[in-house]
Amino acid sequence: DGGITQSPKYLFRKEGQNVTLSCEQNLNHDAMYWYRQDPGQGLRLIYYSQIVNDFQKGDIAEGYSVSREKKESFPLTVTSAQKNPTAFYLCASSHGLGDYEQYFGPGTRLTVT
Amino acid sequence: GQQLNQSPQSMFIQEGEDVSMNCTSSSIFNTWLWYKQDPGEGPVLLIALYKAGELTSNGRLTAQFGITRKDSFLNISASIPSDVGIYFCAGNMNYGGSQGNLIFGKGTKLSVKP
Repeated sequence: DGGITQSPKYLFRKEGQNVTLSCEQNLNHDAMYWYRQDPGQGLRLIYYSQIVNDFQKGDIAEGYSVSREKKESFPLTVTSAQKNPTAFYLCASSHGLGDYEQYFGPGTRLTVT
Repeated sequence: GQQLNQSPQSMFIQEGEDVSMNCTSSSIFNTWLWYKQDPGEGPVLLIALYKAGELTSNGRLTAQFGITRKDSFLNISASIPSDVGIYFCAGNMNYGGSQGNLIFGKGTKLSVKP
């Protein structure tokens, strides 16, 4: 079955710790995205990558970092510099440049206390 | 930044009713997408629209790309309990083949009438 997986579903961390969220896809998509969702809000773009070894900042990149060493994988690190890290994080992918149909993973809910 | 205004913010449905929601922008969009999100899950793509005036159906769902290119509408006919969830519109202002990211509305929450 082709799809996007995110793990873990729930993640708890203490303030001041970095944490890495996993995102893997087997859809053979070139482009991958990370979004943040807060209650009652739309999705806000954190980072995106159109090809391996290349990524771009989205609207709210501060306090986050990413890597794209493999086509299938696009991990997101929430650093201690992110002031309000508690949120629902969604990973998505699309075929590539100019393809706007994005397909989402099941999400990871991160709680930082 | 650019915003999409989605309305209504929330609505209650009774089984069998038809439901309508819309999304508007102050700018012209070249692509409109509609997603549904169940609690604690990722959004699922329902319908994609690429042409002004386009009307596309997916089962009981019908979406239209407004002729002004600044709005889009989603209708659900004969609603059923599993239609509850949050419906998001998303749009893109760029042409195919060029770089462009989606802008999301804040969602319309569909609940069942008590």
